[in-house]
Amino acid sequence: GIQVEQSPPDLILQEGANSTLRCNFSDSVNNLQWFHQNPWGQLINLFYIPSGTKQNGRLSATTVATERYSLLYISSSQTTDSGVYFCAVVTGANSKLTFGKGITLSVRP
Amino acid sequence: GAGVSQSPSNKVTEKGKDVELRCDPISGHTALYWYRQSLGQGLEFLIYFQGNSAPDKSGLPSDRFSAERTGGSVSTLTIQRTQQEDSAVYLCASSFTKVETQYFGPGTRLLVL
Repeated sequence: GIQVEQSPPDLILQEGANSTLRCNFSDSVNNLQWFHQNPWGQLINLFYIPSGTKQNGRLSATTVATERYSLLYISSSQTTDSGVYFCAVVTGANSKLTFGKGITLSVRP
Repeated sequence: GAGVSQSPSNKVTEKGKDVELRCDPISGHTALYWYRQSLGQGLEFLIYFQGNSAPDKSGLPSDRFSAERTGGSVSTLTIQRTQQEDSAVYLCASSFTKVETQYFGPGTRLLVL
């Protein structure tokens, strides 16, 4: 099956700093989503981005489908950005999301 | 509008008992998914419904696990004869169609003693 690798596994930032989170995948995808899992465990949708670039406030994402990677950019980080960020993909005729292992982000005041 | 809801929020049960977990998807969403999240295995797919049928059950870990969906809406995941390794957070998601954004509920935290 498809492999989804996220890097780095852990990231510690000072409030106000910028960061880039990476997701590599091993096959072509029909769907790619980025999620933020908050401290209560809720998976919050950030982006649906199988290709191209999107922006939402301080967050933006780019997926280069031909090179099989996606990047999530966080600018001017805040302590509320802390949590785990997941990349997940759907491939082929499947419908299920295959998740990466996540990136744990800690933003310090 | 209302998001995906799940009940109960938490469930503690004894080994060997049966449990039922419920998911109410977003109204109008035809696709419904169950996943689970555990410390050792990360986030794993369990089953996918399109309407009331389940074309993909490939993630169900054993025949103790079953699920149904009625009226193209509510779904129930049943675990029979629970084992300690079933302890996890069970997450439900729904989407308008199978290739569109999946929206997740808050999950049911299951602890099997």
